[in-house]
Formats: sequence, structure tokens, C-alpha cells
Amino acid sequence: ELKVEQNPLFLSMQEGKNYTIYCNYSTTSDRLYWYRQDPGKSLESLFVLLSNGAVKQEGRLMASLDTKARLSTLHITAAVHDLSATYFCAVDGQNAGNMLTFGGGTRLMVKP
Amino acid sequence: IAGITQAPTSQILAAGRRMTLRCTQDMRHNAMYWYRQDLGLGLRLIHYSNTAGTTGKGEVPDGYSVSRANTDDFPLTLASAVPSQTSVYFCASRATSATDTQYFGPGTRLTVL
Repeated sequence: ELKVEQNPLFLSMQEGKNYTIYCNYSTTSDRLYWYRQDPGKSLESLFVLLSNGAVKQEGRLMASLDTKARLSTLHITAAVHDLSATYFCAVDGQNAGNMLTFGGGTRLMVKP
Repeated sequence: IAGITQAPTSQILAAGRRMTLRCTQDMRHNAMYWYRQDLGLGLRLIHYSNTAGTTGKGEVPDGYSVSRANTDDFPLTLASAVPSQTSVYFCASRATSATDTQYFGPGTRLTVL
């Protein structure tokens, strides 16, 4: 059974600081997805990582995938308040159900 | 293009009542999903459908049923609602390529009293 773990679960940081969110998963996969969820809203797709070594960047966020370590990271550079949200990673276990398995989420709060 | 629509946006329901949450997508995606999201428990898959005419059980299927009569619609039915089904419900869809991400609907907030 595929398990996906994120850490930290909660992150409070000051504007301007850098930090990394980690997403570990338990079985082989080369398909990993990051989502953002604002309070009271739905999930919005951020990044799609489809191979070992894949790196995607959008503004102050950069995601990478290491399939050998079964690890993805979401790096935040010079955080701003607008990045405050909950971030989820999800892994495609390439199972018969064509389903994604989600991590528990990391709630990010960026303080001015 | 609307993407995925869900109805109702929110609902308060008496325990024991039957309720159907509606989900429609206009992206012609083959795969569709229903999740519930509860504080501290993340997203949990209820049911899924890989293509019209087929459905499967997810992690927490008890008390819920689905149907997939066509590509666009994937309703979720609570036959006899219980308070533990109070949650936010998200419908999602995904293209057949499977390398594509899932797209989520806006959600339905359901309260069962």
C-alpha cells in the first residue's frame, strides 16, 4: 500500500525567509504532483513532476523529484504573505484505479 | 470552459435523509473521483470511476454510492446520512493519459445533524 508523508505538518515563517517542505512516499513512482489549497477553497494544481530529477519553478516556489530516494521537495524562496496556504503532494502509484495518494498536507503561514 | 461544477455548494441535512451530491465536468476526462476532506485527516478517497459505466471503491466507501452513466456526470449518494458524514466533499477528474494532474471541483460543504 502506497503511503505518502509530508513534513512539517505546520510551518510558520517570516516573510523573506526560505524553507523546504518534504514529501516522502513508500513505493516506486515517477509521477508526483503538488497542489495548493487556500482556506475554504478547492485544490489548485501547482506542479507536475514526471521523471527522476525533474525540477519545476513558478515564482518563489520550486519543486523537485528524486525517485530513487522517493522524495519530493517544495522549496520556498523569500516567502511572502500570499504564499500562506496548505500544500499537498500526491503520488501516482500507477495502480489499476488510476488514483493519486495524497499526503496529509503542510499548512504554511507566512507572517509579515 | 467551467471545468468541474459541484452542487449544492453547501447543505444542512437531517440524519437519516437521502442526499445526492452532483458533479459535472466538461473536460471529457475519463477518470473521476470523490473525496472527503476532514480537519486533521486530509483527503480521503470515497469512490472512483475510470470510465463511464465502471466504478470502484476507495478508502472510505461505506455509506456512499456512485454511478457513472456518462462521461460528464458522477453523482455521489448518501442513502441515509449520519453525522459522521459531515465533511467537505470534492469531486475531481483526470485525463486518460494518467500523467496529467487531477482537477478539483469547488467542493460541497455538508452538515448532517
